[in-house]
Amino acid sequence: EIVMTQSPATLSVSPGERATLSCRASQSVYNSLAWYQQKPGQAPRLLIYGASARATGIPARFSGSGSGTEFTLTISGLQSEDFAVYYCQQYNDWPPHFGGGTKVEIK
Amino acid sequence: EVQLVESGGGLVQPGGSLRLSCEASGLTVSRHYIIWVRQAPGKGLEWVSVIYSDGSTYSADSVKGRFTISRDISKNTLYLLMNSLRAEDTAVYYCARTSAGDIWYFDLWGRGTLVTVSS
Repeated sequence: EIVMTQSPATLSVSPGERATLSCRASQSVYNSLAWYQQKPGQAPRLLIYGASARATGIPARFSGSGSGTEFTLTISGLQSEDFAVYYCQQYNDWPPHFGGGTKVEIK
Repeated sequence: EVQLVESGGGLVQPGGSLRLSCEASGLTVSRHYIIWVRQAPGKGLEWVSVIYSDGSTYSADSVKGRFTISRDISKNTLYLLMNSLRAEDTAVYYCARTSAGDIWYFDLWGRGTLVTVSS
């Protein structure tokens, strides 16, 4: 099974700044990588699929990049509603595995 | 509105059983691949069981033989029957839909239902 590792575990960022989140796969998942946002008490929300394609309704300040084993989620100009936990998930191999998450908190 | 709504969670003793429901509206469950994903308190996301559009089912090793996923097409609802529950099954259980067939990322999630296994 493919193991997904996210870093850092917690990221402290000031509103308006850029946040850069990393996700590493234990073996190549090509571009079969999704990112989700989860706020307290809410379900995960799909942000990015195919490593870089934004899901419907997702603002352009969210961007994904990478392929193979190294991926990045960038949030440009953080807004108050962006402070949340972010998960990556590979879907190249069965079963789908999620990373442990990165919490983006207000600095 | 397209949505999934889970229900049936609650407090159950170790060794007990519980049946979760995932009612769909705005979509037909028999046309989609739907998964149950759980999240233990303060932890990450873990897949539990999945049902394909053709009715095939698969479960994670951690729940195999104890949990059963099924669906009632007439009610447009999925179920997760959980037997022999353990403390480590305590979690919020979500149902989610794949965006396109067997491409396993999830574009629609329910709000979740909390299962607590404790004496």
